[in-house]
Amino acid sequence: SSELTQDPAVSVALGQTVSITCQGDSLRKYSASWYQQRPGQAPVLLIYGKNNRPSGTPDRFSGSSSGNTASLTITGAQAEDEADYFCNSRGSNDFYPRFFGPGTKVTVL
Amino acid sequence: QVQLQESGPGLVKPSQTLSLSCTVSGASISRGAYYWSWIRQHPGGALEWIGFIYYTGSTYYNPSLESRLTISMDKPQNQFSLRLSSVTAADTAVYYCAREIFYDGGVYFDFWGQGTLVTVSS
Repeated sequence: SSELTQDPAVSVALGQTVSITCQGDSLRKYSASWYQQRPGQAPVLLIYGKNNRPSGTPDRFSGSSSGNTASLTITGAQAEDEADYFCNSRGSNDFYPRFFGPGTKVTVL
Repeated sequence: QVQLQESGPGLVKPSQTLSLSCTVSGASISRGAYYWSWIRQHPGGALEWIGFIYYTGSTYYNPSLESRLTISMDKPQNQFSLRLSSVTAADTAVYYCAREIFYDGGVYFDFWGQGTLVTVSS
């Protein structure tokens, strides 16, 4: 299967660390990319590849992977990190399609 | 800075064809290395990849939409477009255009349009 799964919601205290996971067979072969989406806005690329941040992504965001699981970690969560987070990968067998996880809602307490 | 902007009707009647365009600035769709994509977000929040077009004109579609879908490009206008036929209420969503980068390790979407809401209703 090329589907991706994520926990629906997580919460984190201000300044603490939280990890969001994304699971799927395709992640054994391909890296995930991660997107942040605030209400009413388009998704924004946060992490791609093994742990690459586009310019503009704060360094408190980091990515990692192991087996069929990719993780996004926020170290020292800020109030503005409260948002939905989506993972994405390509299919494990074909050139296409691409898949998105269902998203994780992060609440900063 | 690369910018993408969707345009098109916000209301489409059931069984009709949904048509959207994406105007790109700051990058040329005629240049290789990028895939010009459509993605939609359903009212519940789920993101669904629709398909993309490459500068050669090659297209790749989500198999679940392929029979109703056409993605094309207008190089002089630096635009690419989406046509989805025989729409139903299930096609109601926010539609995004985005630029995809494909590499050996995977894919990612580095620039997105702001999105446009399309409602299918009579």
